[in-house]
Amino acid sequence: DQQVKQNSPSLSVQEGRISILNCDYTNSMFDYFLWYKKYPAEGPTFLISISSIKDKNEDGRFTVFLNKSAKHLSLHIVPSQPGDSAVYFCAARVASGGSYIPTFGRGTSLIVHP
Amino acid sequence: DGGITQSPKYLFRKEGQNVTLSCEQNLNHDAMYWYRQDPGQGLRLIYYSQIVNDFQKGDIAEGYSVSREKKESFPLTVTSAQKNPTAFYLCASSVTGGSYEQYFGPGTRLTVT
Repeated sequence: DQQVKQNSPSLSVQEGRISILNCDYTNSMFDYFLWYKKYPAEGPTFLISISSIKDKNEDGRFTVFLNKSAKHLSLHIVPSQPGDSAVYFCAARVASGGSYIPTFGRGTSLIVHP
Repeated sequence: DGGITQSPKYLFRKEGQNVTLSCEQNLNHDAMYWYRQDPGQGLRLIYYSQIVNDFQKGDIAEGYSVSREKKESFPLTVTSAQKNPTAFYLCASSVTGGSYEQYFGPGTRLTVT
């Protein structure tokens, strides 16, 4: 049973426009959420995170929004650039016995067209 | 430079052979992890370790084994008992507790024929 769901396997966006990647979760105990970016044949790199006590976190072109009542978070990229083309993973964490082990979604492949 | 190294980048083995994947970090992180990535499956946790000489099974530990004899090193052995070993394997490390992110290595592509 997937606790973190990224229901869109892929997203195609024009350069300069906004990219919105979505993530839903089922475990209300999750207290920290992270987004990672991954290029083919490379390891993921951390992009941005948000604590459950906040509803928005912004870092340059990247903004993450958290809607706890809907158990939904989204990553906005504005403006989108061709170099943003990658797979984006949403991850959520719950402090379970102090392990802080994150659960990952299956990823969304973003393609930004020039 | 600080980071995580995985070697080799590509690894080929015959079915029935055990193979060990290397993971080394110089970030002074206590926690280390092994993930497996298959197409459309995201990242699935194999094993993790929060401290030297201790490790825990993840979601898909069957057919794998690990050791954590040194803080910097967390090798993963893919045994012949693993039914579908061909995959992309990722090692990661992090600080423990609090708000943190994981740092990932470049990955090892294992192909078993």
